[in-house]
Amino acid sequence: QKEVEQNSGPLSVPEGAIASLNCTYSDRGSQSFFWYRQYSGKSPELIMFIYSNGDKEDGRFTAQLNKASQYVSLLIRDSQPSDSATYLCAVGGSQGGKLIFGQGTELSVKP
Amino acid sequence: DAEITQSPRHKITETGRQVTLACHQTWNHNNMFWYRQDLGHGLRLIHYSYGVQDTNKGEVSDGYSVSRSNTEDLPLTLESAASSQTSVYFCASSDGGDTQYFGPGTRLTVL
Repeated sequence: QKEVEQNSGPLSVPEGAIASLNCTYSDRGSQSFFWYRQYSGKSPELIMFIYSNGDKEDGRFTAQLNKASQYVSLLIRDSQPSDSATYLCAVGGSQGGKLIFGQGTELSVKP
Repeated sequence: DAEITQSPRHKITETGRQVTLACHQTWNHNNMFWYRQDLGHGLRLIHYSYGVQDTNKGEVSDGYSVSRSNTEDLPLTLESAASSQTSVYFCASSDGGDTQYFGPGTRLTVL
């Protein structure tokens, strides 16, 4: 069983729609959860982090965490073509500063 | 502005040669990490360091080594390059928490 799992996609949504990206993790001791965006040929860029159960909003992005279900998600409202990228889920907190990454979900926003 | 840089950005080498990839950060972060990214495998941790003179093996450390002689730099050395080490390499750093910031990456081709 992979430690951090994401659907590889591609996930395709129309412009203006809500994109929902999901991630599950296996280590119940995990304390910190991150979403990185990676454009093709570029490095991962941190867009959100969440530590507590519930929702955390930042502009068009909302991260949701449910530790009981070992589930974290990222919602992107009013999706734009510029949001087309691969989104990496990363989990930390029980690995001494190390992060475990999922394989990423490719998002395509169609005009 | 503080930043993290990698050099070279692109490198082509031959099987059996020793190769060193540089990573330099100006954030004064204690923690530094090296990852490789391959299709189908996501980001995999090679080596990491929590401070000067500290180095640790990650999940795919065979054939790689690092040294940490100062806070700013963590060079990654491929002792005898193999074709299986053709990949994109990312360096990252953090200030002791779990949030990691990535360099621009080095694309390495081993012929």
